[in-house]
This record gives sequence, C-alpha cells and structure tokens, in this order.
Amino acid sequence: ETGVTQTPRHLVMGMTNKKSLKCEQHLGHNAMYWYKQSAKKPLELMFVYSLEERVENNSVPSRFSPECPNSSHLFLHLHTLQPEDSALYLCASSPGWGGAETQYFGPGTRLLVL
Amino acid sequence: GQNIDQPTEMTATEGAIVQINCTYQTSGFNGLFWYQQHAGEAPTFLSYNVLDGLEEKGRFSSFLSRSKGYSYLLLKELQMKDSASYLCAAMDSNYQLIWGAGTKLIIKP
Repeated sequence: ETGVTQTPRHLVMGMTNKKSLKCEQHLGHNAMYWYKQSAKKPLELMFVYSLEERVENNSVPSRFSPECPNSSHLFLHLHTLQPEDSALYLCASSPGWGGAETQYFGPGTRLLVL
Repeated sequence: GQNIDQPTEMTATEGAIVQINCTYQTSGFNGLFWYQQHAGEAPTFLSYNVLDGLEEKGRFSSFLSRSKGYSYLLLKELQMKDSASYLCAAMDSNYQLIWGAGTKLIIKP
C-alpha cells in the first residue's frame, strides 16, 4: 500500500535542531492530517488541511509548524523540540473534510528527541 | 466529555474467535470506525458502521448499537498475522474522530 508515504521513517534529533517531516498522498484526496501517536494513548489530532487551507489546529505548541503547499503534500516543521515530543507522527488523508470521511494513513515517522 | 473505552490487551489462540469491545460517549454521532495497526506500520481501515447491526467482511465483522454506545469487532478463524493493535474511533457531530487507545491483540499458536 503506497497511497500515503512519509519520510523519513525514523528521526533522531537534539532539542536545538530543526527538521521537517514530509507526507505525500497519491489518492487524489483533498484533506490531509497530522497526528501524534504515543504509546498506549489515543491518537492526538494536531492539524487538518482541506484544499490547502488549515481548518483545525488543536492547541499544538508553536514548535510544530505545518505547511501544505498543495493537496498532495504536507510538511511538519520541527524546531526546539522537547523529549516529551518523542512519538510516532502519522499523516493521513481523506477524500474530503467535514463529512463521514474515511482516513487513510501513512506508515509514520518515529521521532526521538534527545 | 467525549470518551472511548476499549481493553488494553487481549490474547487469543490461532483458529479461534475473538471479540474486541468498544464503548463510546460523544457529542452527537456520525459513525464508528475500526482500524488495524501492525507494530511500526500505518493504521489500516477495517470497517465503518453508522446504522445498528452487524456488518460482515470475510473473517472480520463489526457490530454497532447506537442506543448503548457500543461496538465490537469480531475476528474469526484467527491467524498469526492478526496479531496487531485494533483502534476504535467514533465520529462526533462535528465529524471529528474521537480515538480509543487501541487494543493489542496477541495470537498464540
């Protein structure tokens, strides 16, 4: 299944580094999502973009900065992260937003902040 | 508040049947999703229920009772490859997904 791809798959960074996560969807969808997944916790929705416009921003710290240049690509820019930000970051897409849409996920980026 | 409850972990035997329960409390309801997630991989969509009743898809079935705020995922003829986490998510009146923490299913030979 290569509908939603994410790079890198693994990332180790120091607290002073700046890095970016990339997501690309090949499904022709109009909505894209960033989630944080921590062990034994529910998925936490971070950001939603619909037709390249941000429609949800769930009280995420400013050290996480999303970018959606077009409906196929989504980035998450990271800077001055904290160790508690270590988690699996999942990207998802859906045909639309604001309805009972099924979300399709990428494999995630496993992030470790030292 | 909005909440999803599902067991943290379950163990079953290869070839057997297992039922994973999920209860939800949401502001409004627009359906319930089940996803499967193998370790280190993407969650993959299994089922969506919005009406009461049982929907069958091969070895997997999903049931919904809206009046009870309850769903279950039934896996038959278990195979070792079914070892995974199973995520339950309910969609509220704003079409936001409320996620459970997942049920880790361990299949033993």
